[in-house]
Amino acid sequence: DIQLTQSPSFLSASVGDRVTITCRASQGISSYLAWYQQKPGKAPKLLIYAASTLQSGVPSRFSGSGSGTEFTLTISSLQPEDFATYYCQQLNSYPFTFGPGTKVDIK
Amino acid sequence: EVQLVESGGGLVQPGGSLRLSCAASGFTFSSYEMNWVRQAPGKGLEWVSYISSSGSTIYYADSVKGRFTISRDNAKNSLYLQMNSLRAEDTAVYYCARVGVAGIVYWGQGTLVTVSS
Repeated sequence: DIQLTQSPSFLSASVGDRVTITCRASQGISSYLAWYQQKPGKAPKLLIYAASTLQSGVPSRFSGSGSGTEFTLTISSLQPEDFATYYCQQLNSYPFTFGPGTKVDIK
Repeated sequence: EVQLVESGGGLVQPGGSLRLSCAASGFTFSSYEMNWVRQAPGKGLEWVSYISSSGSTIYYADSVKGRFTISRDNAKNSLYLQMNSLRAEDTAVYYCARVGVAGIVYWGQGTLVTVSS
């Protein structure tokens, strides 16, 4: 099975900050990676798919990059509504594992 | 509008069984692969099971293999998860999810399963 790690697990940031989250896969997954945002009590929301494609309706301050085993999610200018937990998921092969999550909190 | 509505969650004793259902609407259910994903209280997301559009291909996470059974009824636009031999560690919100090449765009609201004596 493919394992995913995320770093950091937690980050404290201010509105307007540039934020980068890293997701690493235990083996190459090409660009079969998605990023989700989850707020408390809600289902996750797809932000990025195919590593770098912005899902329809998602603000352009979100971007993704990477391929193979290392991927990043960047929020160019953090907004109040972006404080949430972010997960990566590999879609290269089943089981479609998720990363452990990165919680973005207000500094 | 795509809608996925889970039901069937609740409190069950360790070793017990529960059957979750997911009613799908707003799309051609028989054309889409489906997943169950769960989230234990205060924890991260865990992929649980996959079923192909026809039901002919099925996968499970190691943590539930042999205890959970995924199925679907395309005539009823419904997805199911039969959960047997439940353990405390199965306590979670269970999400029904429509999966595509882009990942999971559509999620249900989730149904809470609590395994406790």
